Parts: sequence; C-alpha cells; structure tokens
Amino acid sequence: KQEVTQIPAALSVPEGENLVLNCSFTDSAIYNLQWFRQDPGKGLTSLLLIQSSQREQTSGRLNASLDKSSGRSTLYIAASQPGDSATYLCAVRPIGGAGSYQLTFGKGTKLSVIP
Amino acid sequence: KAGVTQTPRYLIKTRGQQVTLSCSPISGHRSVSWYQQTPGQGLQFLFEYFSETQRNKGNFPGRFSGRQFSNSRSEMNVSTLELGDSALYLCASQRQSSYNSPLHFGNGTRLTVT
Repeated sequence: KQEVTQIPAALSVPEGENLVLNCSFTDSAIYNLQWFRQDPGKGLTSLLLIQSSQREQTSGRLNASLDKSSGRSTLYIAASQPGDSATYLCAVRPIGGAGSYQLTFGKGTKLSVIP
Repeated sequence: KAGVTQTPRYLIKTRGQQVTLSCSPISGHRSVSWYQQTPGQGLQFLFEYFSETQRNKGNFPGRFSGRQFSNSRSEMNVSTLELGDSALYLCASQRQSSYNSPLHFGNGTRLTVT
C-alpha cells in the first residue's frame, strides 16, 4: 500500500529565506507527483505536476524535483514571503488498475513565513 | 475560466439525517473525484467518475454514494449521518481520462454533524 510522508509537519521561517519541503513515498510505481497549497478553510491549489519521467518542474519562485527511484520529492521555495504561509501537500498517482484513478496524499507541511 | 464549484460551502446536520453535496467541474473536464479531509486522517479518496461511470471507490461504508450526470456535474450523498462524518469534502476535476493532467480542486463543503 502506497504511503506518503511529509516531514516536518510544521515549519516557521523568516521572510526572504529559501526553503525546502520534503515528500517521500514508499512505492516508486507512480505516474506522477503533484504539489498543492491549501490556505485555511479553503480547497487545494495545484502548484506543480511532475511526470514520472521528469526530474523537475519550475513555476516562478517554486521548483519541484522528483527522484522516483529513491521515493523522494522536494519543493523549493525561493525568497519566501508572508503570502507563502499555507499548508503544502504532495500527492502521488500510483500505477495499477483502478487505483490509478485516485491520488494518495501526505498530511502536509504547515509553513509560516514570519515578516 | 471558472474553477471547480462546490455547493453549499457549509452544512450543519443532525445525526441520522442524510445530505447531498454538489460539484460542478471546470468546463470541459469530464473526470470528477471526491475526497474527505479530516485533521486526523488527512485527505482520503471517496470515489472517481468519468462519463457517468464510477471507476473507483475508496474504503468508505455504503452510506457514502455518488453519481455523475451527463453534463459532468457530480453529487455525493451521505445517508444516516454519524458524528465522524464531520469533515471538509473536496471535489476535484481533471481535463481528460488519462493520468497526465493535474487535478483541480474546489473550495469544499464543510459538513458538521451534531
């Protein structure tokens, strides 16, 4: 059974710092990995999608990497801002029959950027 | 382009009642998924629909059901509500049936069971 872990559960950094969020998964048989952001009381906003054949994806100040063989992904946020404060979740789409129609999520890292 | 729309945003129900939640996907998206989010369990998959067919169902009791209409809009129903059903219910849509496009989520329906 695929398990997705995000450590740490919470992170607090001063504004302007570069930071890395971690995501690990137990089964490397995945189609892709997606990073999301969730603001309090809101839904999930898609940030980046990395296909299993890709090593990284970039969008603005965000860069996500994927090492499928080791079961790891990182989300790099450059020059953090208070507006980046949110919970960041990663999710994998497994390979394998009907199970491919769902994502398996980590429990997220709650990021606080202090002005 | 409008995003995924979920209605209502908030619901308060009593144990034993039933509830229906609605989801309108992004225009042109034919796949709709539902997830339950709780502080303890995180996000858990409920079911996924494509072209009115349920393709997968998560590990939830039969009290949880859903359907998709010909216009891709979807509803989920929870019967005989229990206190543990209190959660944020999130709907997501995807552009095509393949696995390569991102999932887009709505803002959810917050269900409170008293």
